Amino acid sequence: EPEVTQTPSHQVTQMGQEVILRCVPISNHLYFYWYRQILGQKVEFLVSFYNNEISEKSEIFDDQFSVERPDGSNFTLKIRSTKLEDSAMYFCASSSSGTSNEQFFGPGTRLTVL
Amino acid sequence: ILNVEQSPQSLHVQEGDSTNFTCSFPSSNFYALHWYRWETAKSPEALFVMTLNGDEKKKGRISATLNTKEGYSYLYIKGSQPEDSATYLCASRRAGYALNFGKGTSLLVTP
Repeated sequence: EPEVTQTPSHQVTQMGQEVILRCVPISNHLYFYWYRQILGQKVEFLVSFYNNEISEKSEIFDDQFSVERPDGSNFTLKIRSTKLEDSAMYFCASSSSGTSNEQFFGPGTRLTVL
Repeated sequence: ILNVEQSPQSLHVQEGDSTNFTCSFPSSNFYALHWYRWETAKSPEALFVMTLNGDEKKKGRISATLNTKEGYSYLYIKGSQPEDSATYLCASRRAGYALNFGKGTSLLVTP
């Protein structure tokens, strides 16, 4: 069964460093998303991406964040200068269309900023 | 209601018990309501997506109902099994792509 994969499963970084989280969405999907969950809090939407551009973003997704689909399979989230409060589980998701209601999630990358 | 709220926060039942959880969500500009099942270290698994008021969906022993006018959904598990132990997340979708999640209900089923 097709699935969304994410690497690494756990990333530890120093405050101020750049990190890139990687995702491989389901192959025939066209819409891609990033969410995050800070420990003990709700899963929060960060950004959606379609046709090589951001289609929607939340107020969390500030200039420190960027997304990219560098090739036909990967979808990345970059945090330019990490802060302690960026420590969270980051989930990638994909869907076959924007109106398709089902978003399929990966297992997440746990980011720890020291 | 401005946010998605789920209750109870956690639930502990015996194998064979039936149980249900509640999800409350903003009823204005409603588009869809999602239920996910999430086991630790695994991907959240999509259970149901519901869009119409009065929708009822079923997958095996799990079913869900939707009331968009009053902004709530129920998830039912009939005859709970230990493998049903997980966190059950609901998320509402309004205009746009973003899913707005609740905090989840953590279910533990003991033999």
